[in-house]
Amino acid sequence: SQKIEQNSEALNIQEGKTATLTCNYTNYSPAYLQWYRQDPGRGPVFLLLIRENEKEKRKERLKVTFDTTLKQSLFHITASQPADSATYLCALDAGNMLTFGGGTRLMVKP
Amino acid sequence: DTEVTQTPKHLVMGMTNKKSLKCEQHMGHRAMYWYKQKAKKPPELMFVYSYEKLSINESVPSRFSPECPNSSLLNLHLHALQPEDSALYLCASSRRTSGGSYEQYFGPGTRLTVT
Repeated sequence: SQKIEQNSEALNIQEGKTATLTCNYTNYSPAYLQWYRQDPGRGPVFLLLIRENEKEKRKERLKVTFDTTLKQSLFHITASQPADSATYLCALDAGNMLTFGGGTRLMVKP
Repeated sequence: DTEVTQTPKHLVMGMTNKKSLKCEQHMGHRAMYWYKQKAKKPPELMFVYSYEKLSINESVPSRFSPECPNSSLLNLHLHALQPEDSALYLCASSRRTSGGSYEQYFGPGTRLTVT
């Protein structure tokens, strides 16, 4: 069955640095991969979507890459701020159905 | 209106109770979802409704019964739950993007505690 994993449960970085989160998947070739942000006690919020034929997508300080050979997506937050502290979830898009990775809790320290 | 609303925010129920969770969206989305999320875990898909018809049931126990009365509303009826069913229950709706994917919009969730 398809599997999606996020390498780090938690990541601590200093304010102003770039945070890089990793998402790996197996047994599937998704046409799309999505990234969400979730704050404690709240529902996930959609951030970015990348297609299999796109190598990179950007939105303000966010950048997502998609390597279908490595079966991996990287999510970058540049010039990180304490307000970026949250759990970030990647998700395989299987046509109207999402399978989420375990999430990475990012803590940006001032 | 780009919001998915859920009621109640918190619910405490005994194992013999019957209760319902409600979800509403007015974005014209024709797919709606129920997810269950335990602490420090990702959301797990329970049910998918597409055009008011149940299209996916991820082997959820029958003590959870979904209902989609119309395209804006989604209910989850609960009966004879177990303490291990305590979790955050999330509702979501989605629209198909121009590229063919489905971006999901989540509600704030109902925090359920079964005693």
